[in-house]
Amino acid sequence: DGGITQSPKYLFRKEGQNVTLSCEQNLNHDAMYWYRQDPGQGLRLIYYSQIVNDFQKGDIAEGYSVSREKKESFPLTVTSAQKNPTAFYLCASSINGNSYNEQFFGPGTRLTVL
Amino acid sequence: GENVEQHPSTLSVQEGDSAVIKCTYSDSASNYFPWYKQELGKRPQLIIDIRSNVGEKKDQRIAVTLNKTAKHFSLHITETQPEDSAVYFCAASGTNAGKSTFGDGTTLTVKP
Repeated sequence: DGGITQSPKYLFRKEGQNVTLSCEQNLNHDAMYWYRQDPGQGLRLIYYSQIVNDFQKGDIAEGYSVSREKKESFPLTVTSAQKNPTAFYLCASSINGNSYNEQFFGPGTRLTVL
Repeated sequence: GENVEQHPSTLSVQEGDSAVIKCTYSDSASNYFPWYKQELGKRPQLIIDIRSNVGEKKDQRIAVTLNKTAKHFSLHITETQPEDSAVYFCAASGTNAGKSTFGDGTTLTVKP
């Protein structure tokens, strides 16, 4: 289970505030991903990055932003433009962006907007 | 883009019985189909996967079958045990940056 970490585990935010979720991996993986998980739904892709200094929008990128300045780190910012941000957020990484690679998940951050 | 449908959404079986979860996908270019298990409060973890050039793969009590023509794949768990209780997700991925599209998950409950 080790190798990819997320912090904090729980996060509370007031409406109108931006908040940044941390994701770090020491697996030397090139590719990293952010997913959102809502009850009764699968994992929906927010953003992904195949390599440092490069990232692309996933299926539900609106209201989110990311950066990939270091190979080990892929922080996600939930902005005030995200209309329904309360959810469980999962970060994942894989060796590279090829399709055959297993994704390793972090433990997740549960974000609640008050 | 890819669309993955997963059925059933919930499944309850008696310990020792078999469980089958089915997924269909839409993009014929998808070539990798992993299955993840997520126990309550934990992160998803890969339990088995299959590539498009293989029709079936087995690992102890778990097997996955793939029908490329029909664009569906299934997870089979035999001799179920209470510790198999979890949410299972199927996924399909193609050549686009390793992006995986996930099904909505199946909550499996194994009753002792």
